[in-house]
Amino acid sequence: GENVEQHPSTLSVQEGDSAVIKCTYSDSASNYFPWYKQELGKGPQLIIDIRSNVGEKKDQRIAVTLNKTAKHFSLHITETQPEDSAVYFCAASDRNTGFQKLVFGTGTRLLVSP
Amino acid sequence: GAGVSQSPSNKVTEKGKDVELRCDPISGHTALYWYRQSLGQGLEFLIYFQGNSAPDKSGLPSDRFSAERTGGSVSTLTIQRTQQEDSAVYLCASSQQGANQPQHFGDGTRLSIL
Repeated sequence: GENVEQHPSTLSVQEGDSAVIKCTYSDSASNYFPWYKQELGKGPQLIIDIRSNVGEKKDQRIAVTLNKTAKHFSLHITETQPEDSAVYFCAASDRNTGFQKLVFGTGTRLLVSP
Repeated sequence: GAGVSQSPSNKVTEKGKDVELRCDPISGHTALYWYRQSLGQGLEFLIYFQGNSAPDKSGLPSDRFSAERTGGSVSTLTIQRTQQEDSAVYLCASSQQGANQPQHFGDGTRLSIL
């Protein structure tokens, strides 16, 4: 089955810097890659997703890139702010049917210092 | 609009007791998922519902775990004869039908087994 690895496990940056989180996946059939942000005591919140027919997607300060050949995808956050501090999870899904079984990475704890 | 609602938000119980966790999905979402998140870990898939049927129960850890969904809406996850290793946050997500529809999560039930 699918296996998703995520790095780094923790990331500390200064406010205004950029942050990059990287994930690799094992199943070449995977075709959907969402990113979730989880704040303490809350459920994961979808922040951006990308499908395998697209190489890059941007939404304001957030961007995701996908390299299908290398089977890795990355989350880029520019101009980081303290409120970006949270745990970020990548995930991959390998189904084209109505069932989307997500396999998650182990998370990256991002700390943005003022 | 209303998001995914889970209850209770916290549950503390003694080892050996049965517990029932509830999930109210977003109105109109036909797909419903249960995940488990152990302390400091990623999310582990448990079970998926399409309408009232559960085509994939492969993630349920043991036969002490069961889930049902009625009326295509509310779902309950039941854990019988709880063990300490069942302590975790149980998260529910829902999505619209179709390939690669985004999953939206509730804030989870934090279960502690004494």
